[in-house]
Formats: sequence, C-alpha cells, structure tokens
Amino acid sequence: GAVVSQHPSRVICKSGTSVKIECRSLDFQATTMFWYRQFPKQSLMLMATSNEGSKATYEQGVEKDKFLINHASLTLSTLTVTSAHPEDSSFYICSARDAFSPDTQYFGPGTRLTVL
Amino acid sequence: GENVEQHPSTLSVQEGDSAVIKCTYSDSASNYFPWYKQELGKRPQLIIDIRSNVGEKKDQRIAVTLNKTAKHFSLHITETQPEDSAVYFCAASLSGNQFYFGTGTSLTVIP
Repeated sequence: GAVVSQHPSRVICKSGTSVKIECRSLDFQATTMFWYRQFPKQSLMLMATSNEGSKATYEQGVEKDKFLINHASLTLSTLTVTSAHPEDSSFYICSARDAFSPDTQYFGPGTRLTVL
Repeated sequence: GENVEQHPSTLSVQEGDSAVIKCTYSDSASNYFPWYKQELGKRPQLIIDIRSNVGEKKDQRIAVTLNKTAKHFSLHITETQPEDSAVYFCAASLSGNQFYFGTGTSLTVIP
C-alpha cells in the first residue's frame, strides 16, 4: 500500500529557532499534501493544503509567514515552523493524496515538536 | 465551510458487544466520508470509507452507513475486541479536496 514518511519523528528545540519537517510519499506521486496539527486528545486540525509547484493554501487563522510550506516535487513537501515558541509545541501530521486515487489520503507517522 | 460533529466523545463497551459512532456534516456537497483509527502517538489509519452514491458498506466487523438527506453517517463495529480500543475519527470531504475531521471518539473495549 501507499506509504508516507515524515522526518524527524521527534524534535526538541529552543524558543526562537526554526524547525523543518519533511513529508515524503515513498511509492506514489502526490500532487497534493496536507498538513495537520493535533493537540493531545484532540482532533486533526487542517493547517494548509500544499500543491506541487504552487503556493500553499492556508486555513483561516494559520499564519503563513510562521508556517512555511514548500512542495517542490511530487514526492516531497516541507513544513518549516519559523521562530518557534512553546505554544507551537504539538504533533504535526502530513498526509498525501495519490494523484491516481484522489479521494484517499495517506498519513505520515507524525512529528512531535517540543519547543523549550 | 464544512463542519463535522462526532458523538460520543468517549465510548466504553464490553468485549463482544457492538460500538456505534455517529457523525453529522453540514455541507451537502461533501461526497466522500472516510473513517480513521488512531492509536496513541501513531498515524491515523483508514479503516473504511463510503461515497455518497452508496448507503452502506461493510468490511468484516466494520460497517458504515450514510444518510445523505439527513447528512449523517455512522460507524458500526460488531463483536468488539480489545485491539479495537483507539480513537476513531470521521471525516467529510468533497472528492479530492481537504478532509474535515470530527472531534474523535475514544473507544475502550473492556475485556
């Protein structure tokens, strides 16, 4: 089946630093990837939709200058949390949509970000 | 935009009993409704999905029903087992577009 990887799985950083998270589709082409944020015991909140070769579409309330998204190829999207603060600590999960099976999204394993 | 509500937020059942989780959605244009299972600290896993041209779909112990008129859909798990314990999320989307997730149901199956 379709596999999505995410790296790193866990990151701890100091306040003010930037953190880059990678999301890769390993065995399929993903024209669209999605970035979610999940707080403990809560649902997945869509942050942005990432389309290959174009600018990401951000959900209302998500700061595009803080959460930089780049989707440079059909298999890779990156999320950079700039100038991270403790309130940015969360579980970030990406998903990828198979170009040939557009209804289904395959999720990455998530990245646990802790900002000290 | 789409608004998905999910109930109950927590559910405890005895092993072997059935579990039912219900979701409603607001956007009548939504036509794809997946259900995901998420274990603690892990990725959501698709367990079953249904499209708006179908009223019911079954896969072994899991079934999903959809009522387009009422804009609600439900997940049914029969003969529950301890390994069914997890958080379950419903979602609604317009085919190919972003998912809007429900708030999740924490299911505990008591041995």
